[in-house]
Amino acid sequence: EVQLVESGGGLVQPGGSLRLSCAASGFTFSSYAMSWVRQAPGKGLEWVSGITGSGYSTYYADSVKGRFTVSRDNSKNTLYLQMSGLRAEDTAVYYCAKDPYGPNRYYYMDVWGKGTTVTASS
Amino acid sequence: EIVLTQSPGTLSLSPGERATLSCRASQSVSSSYLAWYQQKPGQPPRLLIYGASRRASDIPDRFSGSGSGTDFTLTISRLEPEDFAVYYCQQYGTSPLTFGGGTKVEIK
Repeated sequence: EVQLVESGGGLVQPGGSLRLSCAASGFTFSSYAMSWVRQAPGKGLEWVSGITGSGYSTYYADSVKGRFTVSRDNSKNTLYLQMSGLRAEDTAVYYCAKDPYGPNRYYYMDVWGKGTTVTASS
Repeated sequence: EIVLTQSPGTLSLSPGERATLSCRASQSVSSSYLAWYQQKPGQPPRLLIYGASRRASDIPDRFSGSGSGTDFTLTISRLEPEDFAVYYCQQYGTSPLTFGGGTKVEIK
């Protein structure tokens, strides 16, 4: 069974840092691009970051550029999102999601994790 | 970036009725690269439709997608109780990937 399990969320003060992880199983992890998508409380979905299968190419939304870093360890089948300089507006559920086709381009997301909640508040 | 506008914001219908949801793009979506997701409270989004009209695995045939260019539609032919949820469209023809603001289908 294809599965994604996020962890690492929590309460952090504005300006603080967190590292999210997403453990993947049931598929050849390195063969697929992966994304982080977030959802603020009561709001819609926002594509935050993406990374190709090799990890060589990444994407960031303008709202997080320079503060967040996406990476992956294909030997551990794990996706990461390092978040620093957190702001109140970063408060959201963060989902990791799998691309359906391959390693080099972002399409839609065919498998989603259950999400991990990040709250930036004093 | 391509802005997706979904309408209506809320659709109030009864079980058994037909639901028609709209997604309009600010510019043409190349190759009809448009997907639809369903999201229920406390759950992640679930892929319903990709390529504007192709049903994802295990999606009932009461769900159908259509459209091209800038206008896309998700139709639920006969609403079942489990279909009351929020629906999002997403385009993947042009980077960055963008989502619409969602349509909530609620029980009338």
